[in-house]
Amino acid sequence: DAGVTQSPTHLIKTRGQHVTLRCSPISGHKSVSWYQQVLGQGPQFIFQYYEKEERGRGNFPDRFSARQFPNYSSELNVNALLLGDSALYLCASRTTPGQGQEGAFFGQGTRLTVV
Amino acid sequence: AQSVTQLGSHVSVSEGALVLLRCNYSSSVPPYLFWYVQYPNQGLQLLLKYTTGATLVKGINGFEAEFKKSETSFHLTKPSAHMSDAAEYFCAVSGDRGSTLGRLYFGRGTQLTVWP
Repeated sequence: DAGVTQSPTHLIKTRGQHVTLRCSPISGHKSVSWYQQVLGQGPQFIFQYYEKEERGRGNFPDRFSARQFPNYSSELNVNALLLGDSALYLCASRTTPGQGQEGAFFGQGTRLTVV
Repeated sequence: AQSVTQLGSHVSVSEGALVLLRCNYSSSVPPYLFWYVQYPNQGLQLLLKYTTGATLVKGINGFEAEFKKSETSFHLTKPSAHMSDAAEYFCAVSGDRGSTLGRLYFGRGTQLTVWP
């Protein structure tokens, strides 16, 4: 079975631009979460989606948005990019958001560099 | 509120030596606890988890961790380090037992170096 897949793996953007990151969860998983991992730190929670609805949001500005599609894939959008948005963006999936005991299954991430 | 503290951002051991990576947590509810490993330029891989029951949990690659409620700790150990264990390790707590969120709170990570 395929794991969590993210695209693209790397990208470089200029300050002020917009970026869209994509994630396909493990087959059968209906919940997708997004995390930001800045170099030298642990991942920080951005969003969780379940059944196309936002179920949770971390302490990130409104420039960050996301959505989930009927096939449970998800997009993370970041507007007006800042240098500080440079990070590894991780997508995680689980069967349902309430199954906290599962932990989560992570993709390999998208490395975003803002110049 | 939930939080995780990993003591020691860098740990170095010789091949064959004991690996001990420290993790202390704070949680307002009985926690679910996890250890993840991250190899360079990759995502996170689940090593092991504690949910309920036995406090000594075994994971992949010979790692194990013990949940000690009285010490609010969940330290990761491996009896004999291998070169392939070199990676960054993250301890995490699930902050929302019984809720519909299940977000993870991560520590800052511990970089493990294994010397030949």
